[in-house]
Amino acid sequence: QKEVEQDPGPLSVPEGAIVSLNCTYSNSAFQYFMWYRQYSRKGPELLMYTYSSGNKEDGRFTAQVDKSSKYISLFIRDSQPSDSATYLCAMSGFDSNYQLIWGAGTKLIIKP
Amino acid sequence: DTEVTQTPKHLVMGMTNKKSLKCEQHMGHRAMYWYKQKAKKPPELMFVYSYEKLSINESVPSRFSPECPNSSLLNLHLHALQPEDSALYLCASSHQTGNNYGYTFGSGTRLTVV
Repeated sequence: QKEVEQDPGPLSVPEGAIVSLNCTYSNSAFQYFMWYRQYSRKGPELLMYTYSSGNKEDGRFTAQVDKSSKYISLFIRDSQPSDSATYLCAMSGFDSNYQLIWGAGTKLIIKP
Repeated sequence: DTEVTQTPKHLVMGMTNKKSLKCEQHMGHRAMYWYKQKAKKPPELMFVYSYEKLSINESVPSRFSPECPNSSLLNLHLHALQPEDSALYLCASSHQTGNNYGYTFGSGTRLTVV
């Protein structure tokens, strides 16, 4: 079993829809949770960062962490074709020497 | 300046060549990283530098040789690579290794070994 599980997709939704992306993890020592967006042939770009449990909102993006369920989510409201990319979750804690443990990445396609 | 700059963007090299990848950041970050990313896979950690000293080497073959000349620069020297080493090589930086306010990644060098 991988430490971080993420459905690779692809996930295809119409423009304007609410998108929900998720990761589950097994290591209860993880404390830092991140979502990265990666466009084709580019480096990952940090979208959201959360420490411990709770919600965080930034514009059309909301990140949620549920440590009791070992489950994190990224919601994208009013999705745009420009949101089409691969979304990677990453997390870390003292167990991983604070190095990032990555999900496989979900390819998201927003259809105009 | 919130960028990590990597050069070159593309590199094609033969198996007997020696080349270097360069990375630069001016955000005052004291941790710098080299990652390797294959298509449709997440980044895979290669090396970590903390305060200009190598702190993690993820059992990377010696044909990859990192160097950190100063706090803003990170190089990756390549020698006698194999075709399976073809990948996107990413540089990243963060405030420090134990501080996880997220990493800033460069756009990467797309390496092809022929």
